Amino acid sequence: DGGITQSPKYLFRKEGQNVTLSCEQNLNHDAMYWYRQDPGQGLRLIYYSQIVNDFQKGDIAEGYSVSREKKESFPLTVTSAQKNPTAFYLCASSIPGTTGKAVGYTFGSGTRLTVV
Amino acid sequence: AQRVTQPEKLLSVFKGAPVELKCNYSYSGSPELFWYVQYSRQRLQLLLRHISRESIKGFTADLNKGETSFHLKKPFAQEEDSAMYYCALSGISGYSTLTFGKGTMLLVSP
Repeated sequence: DGGITQSPKYLFRKEGQNVTLSCEQNLNHDAMYWYRQDPGQGLRLIYYSQIVNDFQKGDIAEGYSVSREKKESFPLTVTSAQKNPTAFYLCASSIPGTTGKAVGYTFGSGTRLTVV
Repeated sequence: AQRVTQPEKLLSVFKGAPVELKCNYSYSGSPELFWYVQYSRQRLQLLLRHISRESIKGFTADLNKGETSFHLKKPFAQEEDSAMYYCALSGISGYSTLTFGKGTMLLVSP
């Protein structure tokens, strides 16, 4: 069953801790993305990667880090520098369209991170 | 600034009534626009893209470059249409990223 798997579904973090959210896809998609979803804010782009070993900052990258060592995997680390990490995090993947733009994303089921 | 605006946080209609979810965008180039939907307890999923000019689940959306709008319409709403709807624009933040609006919650009452 092809798709994107995010884990864990729920994550609790203490103040000052780093945590890593997992995102794995078996769709053979080149591009992967991390978004943060907050009530009333929509989805905001954190980081994205078009190809293995390459990634770019999105609109709200401060306090986050990523790696892309394998095509299938794009983990997101929420560091202690992120001032307001409590949110719902969504991972997505896509193949670029013929115009160079995405033809549409496939989303994971999300990870809800709570700072305690 | 390049952005996507969905002016309504909540749209409440009765079953069988027409629905229009508004989306306006600001973009200097040639946009590619999408509507995504998130049903309760389900993943965010693509509903339709302007480039394919398709109708999904009775929904349609026409890109109006003059008014910079991409409103989502359905002539007769169904209860199962109740969900969160996001308008998205491709190409703002890089090679192929999507910029999303803040979303509109559609509630269809019986």
